[in-house]
Amino acid sequence: EVRLVESGAGLVQPGGSLRLSCAASGFTFSSYSMNWVRQAPGKGLEWISYISASSTSIYYGDSVRGRFTISRDNAKNSLFLQMNSLRADDTAVYFCARGLRSLDQWGQGTLVTVSS
Amino acid sequence: QSALTQPASVSGSPGQSITISCTGTSSDVGGFNFVSWYQHHPGKAPKLMISDVSVRPSGVSNRFSGSKSGNTASLTISGLQAEDEADYYCSSYTSSSTWVFGGGTKLTVL
Repeated sequence: EVRLVESGAGLVQPGGSLRLSCAASGFTFSSYSMNWVRQAPGKGLEWISYISASSTSIYYGDSVRGRFTISRDNAKNSLFLQMNSLRADDTAVYFCARGLRSLDQWGQGTLVTVSS
Repeated sequence: QSALTQPASVSGSPGQSITISCTGTSSDVGGFNFVSWYQHHPGKAPKLMISDVSVRPSGVSNRFSGSKSGNTASLTISGLQAEDEADYYCSSYTSSSTWVFGGGTKLTVL
């Protein structure tokens, strides 16, 4: 069974940093591209970052480029999102999701709250 | 990158069919056959319902179908059932090597 489990949620002050993790199991993690998608309270889904299977291609959405960094450790079947210079509008549930042209497996999400 | 345009809400009675539209531009929906649709019950993980415009993943009911014409993609659900009530999102690959979602459509089964 494919499983994606996000962790690292929490409350952080504006300007602070947080690192999210996504533990993958049930498939050959090193063979798949991965993404982070978020959903702010009461809002829709927003794609924020992509990383290819071997980390050779990385892309970001405009709202997080320059502040967030996606990475992965294929030996540990893990995906990461380093979030710096956090703002109130980064408050959201963050999902990790597997895929390239479409996202066929998703985690349950982890809540990040940016507030003073 | 602007979000793709979806109706905020649609509704239908059990057994009926509904269609949700997703309008983009030639830089996303119209330029690539990489449109996908997701079903999201709040508090749960989103579920892929359609990939590559019209491909139904294994395990997804054949009541769900997708299509595209120009810059607009569509999701049709036939034979509406109570469990279809959820939020639906379209998504497309873009010419900027990024992905963009629609604003989401809340489906109500009356």
